[in-house]
Amino acid sequence: EADIYQTPRYLVIGTGKKITLECSQTMGHDKMYWYQQDPGMELHLIHYSYGVNSTEKGDLSSESTVSRIRTEHFPLTLESARPSHTSQYLCASSAQTGGGSPLHFGNGTRLTVT
Amino acid sequence: DQQVKQNSPSLSVQEGRISILNCDYTNSMFDYFLWYKKYPAEGPTFLISISSIKDKNEDGRFTVFLNKSAKHLSLHIVPSQPGDSAVYFCAASPLIQGAQKLVFGQGTRLTINP
Repeated sequence: EADIYQTPRYLVIGTGKKITLECSQTMGHDKMYWYQQDPGMELHLIHYSYGVNSTEKGDLSSESTVSRIRTEHFPLTLESARPSHTSQYLCASSAQTGGGSPLHFGNGTRLTVT
Repeated sequence: DQQVKQNSPSLSVQEGRISILNCDYTNSMFDYFLWYKKYPAEGPTFLISISSIKDKNEDGRFTVFLNKSAKHLSLHIVPSQPGDSAVYFCAASPLIQGAQKLVFGQGTRLTINP
């Protein structure tokens, strides 16, 4: 029932490279989110969007950027990857603005920057 | 300042017995609470939620209890099954502010032993 897709699942890349993590959902949700999670730690919100052409930064500062040109697509870009960017990145969507609608998560991208 | 805490990093329970996962929060503005379950190499999946107007919510084998005065909630799984082995995340937010204000705990790894 995975309706939110992230690619790639795993990515190992060298320092200084530009990368884009893809996230697409087929549920027609307006709200989309990017979380970052290190092993054994909580999920931290780094970006969110309420709809097309809407993007906001989350509570955790991130050097990444996002765009929302289409409802179903919410890619995350790192212009110059660094080892400190090594983490798991989780994309999510929800149907409503209010907290009453649970998040639907993708399976994540595990990024390693060497 | 960690607003949502899961003080037990891991928990081991025998199959068929009750699993109790605990979560404490500090922010009195939180009035909506969720539990997510995460298998390795997958994204979190929504399990059960509760709003502050209730002190208990039940869904099959899963029950969440909320003690507002103690700022504590717990997830009970009974009877525990091997497929319940996963990491469980507690999350909380002010309901009206939506998922962008959702704060996650660090997770508890539950292992169900046959």
